[in-house]
Amino acid sequence: QQQVKQSPQSLIVQKGGISIINCAYENTAFDYFPWYQQFPGKGPALLIAIRPDVSEKKEGRFTISFNKSAKQFSLHIMDSQPGDSATYFCAANNQGGKLIFGQGTELSVKP
Amino acid sequence: DAGVIQSPRHEVTEMGQEVTLRCKPISGHDYLFWYRQTMMRGLELLIYFNNNVPIDDSGMPEDRFSAKMPNASFSTLKIQPSEPRDSAVYFCASSPSRNRISYGYTFGSGTRLTVV
Repeated sequence: QQQVKQSPQSLIVQKGGISIINCAYENTAFDYFPWYQQFPGKGPALLIAIRPDVSEKKEGRFTISFNKSAKQFSLHIMDSQPGDSATYFCAANNQGGKLIFGQGTELSVKP
Repeated sequence: DAGVIQSPRHEVTEMGQEVTLRCKPISGHDYLFWYRQTMMRGLELLIYFNNNVPIDDSGMPEDRFSAKMPNASFSTLKIQPSEPRDSAVYFCASSPSRNRISYGYTFGSGTRLTVV
């Protein structure tokens, strides 16, 4: 119930394409769903986040789509660039202040 | 603000030795988290503190691991004795309290621990 399942494990996209990463959760008490981006040798950094009362949030080329009834949310990266190559983690916040992370998706954007 | 500061960045130690990892959270952040990252297990939460008090240490692998937060600006994660399977990147993160707008964590740059 505390798990967040993320897919795919790795993703290769051509420059200019759309990258899509999916996550699913079970615990309906989760109240905040952030995405983190991690470059090699660095800590994860907050990219974008959404609350369950909103179905979509867009920031630049990054969009979160949230389906509360299906308990799924996804990250879309439009016009993917080589600089977007990184590992992406979805997460869910339980009401105790603890983030539960997905397993991560290694994205590679080919020029 | 300089962000979450961790030290050392890299640590190589021999099996059986004591290892201490250090973290300075962002000033004003009420929560502090210790994570371990490995290829096999991803990001694992080890322990977290709220207002310097340990709230959940269920992720601490075994008694060899201990964490303290003596004040709002400093925390340590200690492994004694260390074993090769403890080799990983250890991250510290902090976040503001829940009654603020963002729950987002800010991570430090991590400590890469190698136990030989």
